[in-house]
Amino acid sequence: DGGITQSPKYLFRKEGQNVTLSCEQNLNHDAMYWYRQDPGQGLRLIYYSQIVNDFQKGDIAEGYSVSREKKESFPLTVTSAQKNPTAFYLCASSLWDRAGELFFGEGSRLTVL
Amino acid sequence: RKEVEQDPGPFNVPEGATVAFNCTYSNSASQSFFWYRQDCRKEPKLLMSVYSSGNEDGRFTAQLNRASQYISLLIRDSKLSDSATYLCVVNKADTGRRALTFGSGTRLQVQP
Repeated sequence: DGGITQSPKYLFRKEGQNVTLSCEQNLNHDAMYWYRQDPGQGLRLIYYSQIVNDFQKGDIAEGYSVSREKKESFPLTVTSAQKNPTAFYLCASSLWDRAGELFFGEGSRLTVL
Repeated sequence: RKEVEQDPGPFNVPEGATVAFNCTYSNSASQSFFWYRQDCRKEPKLLMSVYSSGNEDGRFTAQLNRASQYISLLIRDSKLSDSATYLCVVNKADTGRRALTFGSGTRLQVQP
């Protein structure tokens, strides 16, 4: 089945540690995105990538980093510089010319202890 | 003012009822509009795109009012399985950047 796989689903981290969230898609989509969702708020864009080896900052990129070495993969690293990392992280992909039609992974819930 | 605003609800309705949600957006240059559905602690899923002429998909009808800058979602004959949060999504018109703005969502609870 085609889709997006995120891992891990749940992650606990101590303050000061970096953590990397995995996102893999087999939909052959060019565009991939990382969003963060906090309770009572809309999704906020962290980073997005339109093509391999290229990515752009979203609205809240500070404290995060990404890479896009393969079309299928778009991992997100939450660094220790991110002040409030506890959140629900969602990876998504889309066809390049259908940016509004996102396919999401099941999400990764990060808790910083 | 938020770029996309929704009434958070919850809207509590009995099965079989008709319910409507509105969503307002602030950027008059916004180009495309969508409704997503998100179940509790799950990922959002695209429910429907919103076309200028309005569109219908089974029990769901979406409308766009550009003059007043809002979109609406109407659900007829509500089912228990319609209980979810409905996210309004607007495509930004920023040059050279394709990114969506998500509303905070409207929670619907359909009761037996």
